[in-house]
Amino acid sequence: DAGVTQSPTHLIKTRGQHVTLRCSPISGHKSVSWYQQVLGQGPQFIFQYYEKEERGRGNFPDRFSARQFPNYSSELNVNALLLGDSALYLCASSLDLAGASYNEQFFGPGTRLTVL
Amino acid sequence: DAKTTQPPSMDCAEGRAANLPCNHSTISGNEYVYWYRQIHSQGPQYIIHGLKNNETNEMASLIITEDRKSSTLILPHATLRDTAVYYCIVRPPPGTGNQFYFGTGTSLTVIP
Repeated sequence: DAGVTQSPTHLIKTRGQHVTLRCSPISGHKSVSWYQQVLGQGPQFIFQYYEKEERGRGNFPDRFSARQFPNYSSELNVNALLLGDSALYLCASSLDLAGASYNEQFFGPGTRLTVL
Repeated sequence: DAKTTQPPSMDCAEGRAANLPCNHSTISGNEYVYWYRQIHSQGPQYIIHGLKNNETNEMASLIITEDRKSSTLILPHATLRDTAVYYCIVRPPPGTGNQFYFGTGTSLTVIP
């Protein structure tokens, strides 16, 4: 079975541009989360979506937005890029949210974004 | 959100047990402890999780203290491929979100 896939793998943008990153969860997984990982730090939570609804948001500015589609794939959009947005963007999917005693998150390989 | 504290780095000889500590003194009664690892900018990989009891799987063992304020991840026979950053995470209670809050982790280097 395919794991979590992300595209593109690498991306170079300039300041002020916008970017769209894409994520396809594991088949059957309804929850998708996005994380930003700056070099030398652990991943930082950005968004969680479940059944196309936003269920959680981290401490990120409004320049960051996301959505989830009926097939549970997801896009992360970042507007007005800053140099500090350069990072590895990780997508994770999980099977279910409500009522579960635990939900293992499966991470994709990430998209490496460089802002010049 | 419960925070975790881990040593920034550790070394371990190949073939020996690697014991990675984690402090989570503010953990609440219904929060789980998860361990993930990340090998050189790949996506984090799940290792193990637990609530109160010690847990073991094919990758590792998790020892949680009785007061649940700390835990130890044990890799019984470390190999060079276990060199990675290991993250100890406290998961929010079910129904409050499925997001994970990562710290800076422990960079484990397995030495030949």
